[in-house]
Amino acid sequence: SYELTQPPSVSVSPGQTARITCSGDALPKQNAYWYQQKPGQASVLVIYKDSKRPSGIPERFSGSSSGTTVTLTISGVRAEDEADYYCQSAHSSGTYPVFGGGTKLTVL
Amino acid sequence: QLQLQESGPGLVRPSETLSLTCSVSGGSISSSAFHWAWIRQPPGKGLEWIGNIYYSGTTYYSPSLKSRVTISLDTSKNQFSLKLSSVTAADTALYYCATMKYESSGFSFDYWGLGTLVTVSS
Repeated sequence: SYELTQPPSVSVSPGQTARITCSGDALPKQNAYWYQQKPGQASVLVIYKDSKRPSGIPERFSGSSSGTTVTLTISGVRAEDEADYYCQSAHSSGTYPVFGGGTKLTVL
Repeated sequence: QLQLQESGPGLVRPSETLSLTCSVSGGSISSSAFHWAWIRQPPGKGLEWIGNIYYSGTTYYSPSLKSRVTISLDTSKNQFSLKLSSVTAADTALYYCATMKYESSGFSFDYWGLGTLVTVSS
């Protein structure tokens, strides 16, 4: 089955830059989306179509794409950014959505 | 602002049918703006798309769950529902409802419920 691969965890100190990667063979052809998940809160779309930021999402969140890897970058990380982050794209057939395994971002 | 809330039994016996409802406020499920989706997350694991339904009633299901899943709309109550039959312990998960957009550029999930935990156990 088609998979999106993320690192299980990323740790950064406040004010530093966090980069979370997501790899998948179909990513050159399919857009990627990123979600922030915090306990007890509704998940939030933070990046869509690889690099676009929805209204209300801070500018420190950005996305990029290169070949089979997409990257979520959080610049000037704050304690409130500590969360699980999931990438999502489409199956290589383009017919249904798939998610990565998630990355736990820890702010030291 | 759309709000979604899941509800249903927290415990289901093995081999029985899991039934959940998603109540939508702040918008109509008869709208063509969104699909209405179910996603689940087993404890300590990642997210898995289960399926979605459009206002027309057209449904789309995960290939791995297709034989056991039914998603339906109740426009009179502004709700949509999930039924998953013949459940096993592997179906224990946090179940989310969400809105989904499907465009040529891909799929996105814009609004999510908080999720409801369903445990499959005798």
